[in-house]
Amino acid sequence: GESVGLHLPTLSVQEGDNSIINCAYSNSASDYFIWYKQESGKGPQFIIDIRSNMDKRQGQRVTVLLNKTVKHLSLQIAATQPGDSAVYFCAEKAGNEKLTFGTGTRLTIIP
Amino acid sequence: DTAVSQTPKYLVTQMGNDKSIKCEQNLGHDTMYWYKQDSKKFLKIMFSYNNKELIINETVPNRFSPKSPDKAHLNLHINSLELGDSAVYFCASSLSPSGSLGEQFFGPGTRLTVL
Repeated sequence: GESVGLHLPTLSVQEGDNSIINCAYSNSASDYFIWYKQESGKGPQFIIDIRSNMDKRQGQRVTVLLNKTVKHLSLQIAATQPGDSAVYFCAEKAGNEKLTFGTGTRLTIIP
Repeated sequence: DTAVSQTPKYLVTQMGNDKSIKCEQNLGHDTMYWYKQDSKKFLKIMFSYNNKELIINETVPNRFSPKSPDKAHLNLHINSLELGDSAVYFCASSLSPSGSLGEQFFGPGTRLTVL
């Protein structure tokens, strides 16, 4: 399943399927991007980051794609598990400026 | 061995009161932050300190006053609490304020409810 992370949509995905969470960022000067995961009752937790000189970065079961032309970032989670249920935030940063968070996407994994 | 800790976890208080939230990090980071997360989960930075010096001060009412006694602590004091201050407040820290070292480690949050 896919979502656009401009509001707080809910994306429901069957356990074991892949999920894609999308994020449109606003600042063309942003050169560093992070995805955070926030589980219920906890603080945001770093998942993966990417610099603007890359267009793809892979971690364990996660891949971040960056398209600077259209200012779009996506997080792909492979073979989703119940523990992946959370709110996912993209965040952007331009140089020494502050980290600016997107509005988040709630991912629900259906057993 | 919690990396970033906050106290209290929950805070319920009456309008007009003054309250403080404490934050400590044991990561040896130079930079600490306070964020406010509203009911729609929107995270917005309020303040940032680097080595006890204020470096980011967003448009926040001056009823909010951060204090950093040392680089491992950043406390948030709020005067004359208002209903709109109800939110979850997150403390965070990072190695430095800049560039790709900007990954921030977040505390567990303090849920403030103003009645």
